[in-house]
This record gives sequence, C-alpha cells and structure tokens, in this order.
Amino acid sequence: SQTIHQWPATLVQPVGSPLSLECTVEGTSNPNLYWYRQAAGRGLQLLFYSIGIGQISSEVPQNLSASRPQDRQFILSSKKLLLSDSGFYLCAWSATGLGGEQFFGPGTRLTVL
Amino acid sequence: GQQVMQIPQYQHVQEGEDFTTYCNSSTTLSNIQWYKQRPGGHPVFLIQLVKSGEVKKQKRLTFQFGEAKKNSSLHITATQTTDVGTYFCAGRGNDYKLSFGAGTTVTVRA
Repeated sequence: SQTIHQWPATLVQPVGSPLSLECTVEGTSNPNLYWYRQAAGRGLQLLFYSIGIGQISSEVPQNLSASRPQDRQFILSSKKLLLSDSGFYLCAWSATGLGGEQFFGPGTRLTVL
Repeated sequence: GQQVMQIPQYQHVQEGEDFTTYCNSSTTLSNIQWYKQRPGGHPVFLIQLVKSGEVKKQKRLTFQFGEAKKNSSLHITATQTTDVGTYFCAGRGNDYKLSFGAGTTVTVRA
C-alpha cells in the first residue's frame, strides 16, 4: 500500500532562517506531488506541484521554492523565512493526473518567530 | 483558473440534526471531490463525483453534483460527534488542477 511521509512534524524557526521540509512517498511510481499551505482556520493554498523529476510548477509567487530530486521525494525550501510563512504545510500525491484524488501527508506545523 | 466557493464557513449543529454544506464554482468542473480534515489532522479523501446530477451516499453522508457541474453539496443526517471537522470540496477544472474551497468547519453540540 502507498504511504506518504513528512518531516518534521513541527518546527519553530526564527525570521530570516532557512527552511527545508521533506516529503517522501512509498508504494507508487511517478506520482504527481503537491505542496499546500494552510493558514490557521483557513483553506488549502496550492504552492507547488510536480508531475515528474525536476519538473516544478509554482502557483503562488513567494520566497519559497520546491525541488524534486527523486521520483518520490519532494522538498520545500526557503533561504530566508518571513513571519507570513507560518502555517501548516501539507504534502500530497495523486496517481491519476493532476485532478485526481489526492492523498495527504501528516503535515508540518511551522511557526516563524 | 476556476474559483470554488464553499458555504457556510462554520456550521454549529446539535447532535442528531441534519446539515448541508454547499460548494459553487465559477466555471464548469470535470469532477468534484470532497475531503474531511479532523482537528489537528490532515485532509482525507471522501469521494469523487464525475457525472452531471450524480448522487453518492456513504452511510449518513450524501454527496450531490449539480446538473450544470458547477455546484455540489454534502448533506449529513443525524449528526454525530465523530462528524466534527472541516469538510473541503475541490473542483477539477479544464486545466486539470484541483481548486479547494475554503472549507466548512463543523462543531457538534452534544
């Protein structure tokens, strides 16, 4: 069966520090991968998606970036965090195209102080 | 891309009562999906509707896709405390991407 992992589960970082969040998927090949951000009590904002290794599409201009160095690995990064980067970051995968059902990881709760 | 609006934002329900949450898109959708996020958890896929006018049921949950494929609803009967959480709809547009609604957060009074 497929599983999706995210780490760390929680993170507290100072403003201006770098960020690296990792997501890995097991049990499937060539998944579509997604990064979402959810502000407290709000909906899901799609940040990046990837249909293959090295292929990243950005949905929202910001100081975040994403990379996909391996088929089942998706990384979210920032060189310098802002206060507004705080939120709940969710990685998800889908198997049946960009509009197919998505399976979410447990998420990383990021607080920038 | 399409925008998906969801109402109400909050729903406070007495245990045992019914309620409905609605989802509306500015454009025609190829499918609509529903997810549930428990407090402190992550969204979990519930169901996908594809056909115009389609109705699907999961126990006490009834999902409907509008005839014009621009709106959807989730109706829960006899609400239980296990129904607490945020319900998101997500519509797939012509660009094949999913757009999530802002969600309806449900609380239940015992």
